[in-house]
Amino acid sequence: DGGITQSPKYLFRKEGQNVTLSCEQNLNHDAMYWYRQDPGQGLRLIYYSQIVNDFQKGDIAEGYSVSREKKESFPLTVTSAQKNPTAFYLCASSPRDNSYEQYFGPGTRLTVT
Amino acid sequence: QKEVEQNSGPLSVPEGAIASLNCTYSDRVSQSFFWYRQYSGKSPELIMSIYSNGDKEDGRFTAQLNKASQYVSLLIRDSQPSDSATYLCAVNEDKIIFGKGTRLHILP
Repeated sequence: DGGITQSPKYLFRKEGQNVTLSCEQNLNHDAMYWYRQDPGQGLRLIYYSQIVNDFQKGDIAEGYSVSREKKESFPLTVTSAQKNPTAFYLCASSPRDNSYEQYFGPGTRLTVT
Repeated sequence: QKEVEQNSGPLSVPEGAIASLNCTYSDRVSQSFFWYRQYSGKSPELIMSIYSNGDKEDGRFTAQLNKASQYVSLLIRDSQPSDSATYLCAVNEDKIIFGKGTRLHILP
C-alpha cells in the first residue's frame, strides 16, 4: 500500500519543548515538503528537500529544523524558538521537483500550551 | 510577489448543478497547474492536474487553463453534497504556490 504516513495524528506539548513530527513515504519520490496550515490560511512552506542530505528553507523556516538522511523519511522538528507552533502540519512528496504534483500525508495537528 | 488568487467563498451551489471555481496567477511562465480538494480537518487530495491550454476532463471534473489570461478553473458537474469542501488551486512557478482556497457548499 503506497502512500505517505505522518505520526502522530494529534500531538500535545508544553511550551519550551522541542517536538519532532514524523513523515515517511514509500512512493519512491525524490522530493519531500513540509507545510503548516492555520485556520483560514493557505499552506505555507516550511522546508523542502529534493534529494537525500540536501534541503532548502521555505517561506517560514524560522524555529524549525529538518533532516533528510533517507529518501523515505523527512522529519520536522519544531523547536522552542518557534513563536506560534500550534498548527496543522502537512508533509507532502512529489516524484521529482516542483513541476510535478504533490501528494499529501494525513497531517499532524500540534497543540502547544 | 508571486501570487495565486482564489475567491474564498463560500460558494453555494444546488445539488445537481455545475460548480465553477476560478483561480488567477501572477507568473506568466508557470507551466503546471493543480486542483486539490480539502475536507474540513483533513489533508489536501489531488483531483486534477493540467499542463496545456484548453480543457481536461476526468469524470465529473473539468479543468480549464488559459495561459494568456492567466487563469485556471475547475468545473464540477452534477454537484453532490459530498463535493462540499475547500478547493485549493496550486501553480508551479519556481516552486508550487497554493491559493488560500474556495469553500464550496452543495445545497441538498
